[in-house]
Amino acid sequence: DIVMTQSPDSLAVSLGERATINCKSSQSVLYSSNNKNYLAWYQQKPGQPPKLLIYWASTRESGVPDRFSGSGSGTDFTLTISSLQAEDVALYYCQQYYSTPITFGPGTKVDIK
Amino acid sequence: EVQLLESGGGLIQPGGSLRLSCAGSGFTFSSYAMSWVRQAPGKGLEWVSVISGNGGNTNYADSVKGRFTFSRDNSKNTLSLQMNSLRAEDTAVYYCAKGAGGSSYFSLDYWGQGTLVTVSS
Repeated sequence: DIVMTQSPDSLAVSLGERATINCKSSQSVLYSSNNKNYLAWYQQKPGQPPKLLIYWASTRESGVPDRFSGSGSGTDFTLTISSLQAEDVALYYCQQYYSTPITFGPGTKVDIK
Repeated sequence: EVQLLESGGGLIQPGGSLRLSCAGSGFTFSSYAMSWVRQAPGKGLEWVSVISGNGGNTNYADSVKGRFTFSRDNSKNTLSLQMNSLRAEDTAVYYCAKGAGGSSYFSLDYWGQGTLVTVSS
């Protein structure tokens, strides 16, 4: 199974400042035949289901603000919120869909400082 | 508009069975893989199972393999998760989620609101 880890567990950032979340997979999720990283990022607010933000590691889902960006390849990935807004307070999860069992990271809680 | 509506959750005793359903609308149901993902109270996300668009392929997490069965009826745009031999550790909100493609090798682009399953005596 591919184990997903995230760092930090939580972070507090001032409004308008940058927030960076890291995700690491225990093995590469880059499929060489199509050069795609099978990595997604989700946002979950209290009492709500998760919402897809980023797929293929760096493609923003339709309707997601452009302050959210994803980067990385292979085993190391980053979700960046370029200018934190109050509505971005949430838990963020990375997920690999390279192989089953599909696995999620443990989550990173983002708060306002 | 894509909509996913889960039902069937509730309180069940350990060892019991429960059947969850998920109704999908607003998309060509048979073209997309579907997954169940669960979240225990105060915990993270745990993938449970995936079924391909045509229903011919299923995969399960080791934690539920042999106890849960995932099926779909593309004529009715519905999913079913038959859960047997339930344990306390199966207590969670169960979400059905739509894959962005026809197999398991896609992200999950739409999620239902979830249904709570509580396994307790």
